[in-house]
Amino acid sequence: ETGVTQTPRHLVMGMTNKKSLKCEQHLGHNAMYWYKQSAKKPLELMFVYSLEERVENNSVPSRFSPECPNSSHLFLHLHTLQPEDSALYLCASSQQTGGAETQYFGPGTRLLVL
Amino acid sequence: GQNIDQPTEMTATEGAIVQINCTYQTSGFNGLFWYQQHAGEAPTFLSYNVLDGLEEKGRFSSFLSRSKGYSYLLLKELQMKDSASYLCAPEGAGSYQLTFGKGTKLSVIP
Repeated sequence: ETGVTQTPRHLVMGMTNKKSLKCEQHLGHNAMYWYKQSAKKPLELMFVYSLEERVENNSVPSRFSPECPNSSHLFLHLHTLQPEDSALYLCASSQQTGGAETQYFGPGTRLLVL
Repeated sequence: GQNIDQPTEMTATEGAIVQINCTYQTSGFNGLFWYQQHAGEAPTFLSYNVLDGLEEKGRFSSFLSRSKGYSYLLLKELQMKDSASYLCAPEGAGSYQLTFGKGTKLSVIP
């Protein structure tokens, strides 16, 4: 149990669908992250929220839209995705203290775009 | 820019010792994380080095040389459950700047 949960764990969607991924952290952290992990590629940071404000957006296409309604919840809204967006999407959280900030990961959502 | 290099795959025998190397070039540097990721699971934190030298934590140790841009993860008394990918992640100078390497897939064989 890592304290970070993600739903759904698996998702299959067509290119015209709209879906949302949900992440919830139970650790009292103040920062949350979305990562994409594709086969044979390193983890790619997509978005960072600190105190519910987006502080990092790594050139992610607009078909991915994050939302952070409070410090415990993070969403990733998906629309008109492409097959190459199929990947494992990982959420993480950390406590921003100005020092080393260990990130704790959720189990991920495995997404397949047809 | 960021450049992280670690071997793609390694194989070692149960009970043995294995060293997984990581070299990095980053724009700014705070410290370096190692994560373990079993197939189909989330990465889990193993270690964090900010000062040069060796940090020991049970069967796992991690070493850092800031001047050489080099780190290694040392796993002793290997067990079958240590079969996983090991991710090297240097932390850049700014906040939130964790960049992950592609990971080293370690297979432990009997």
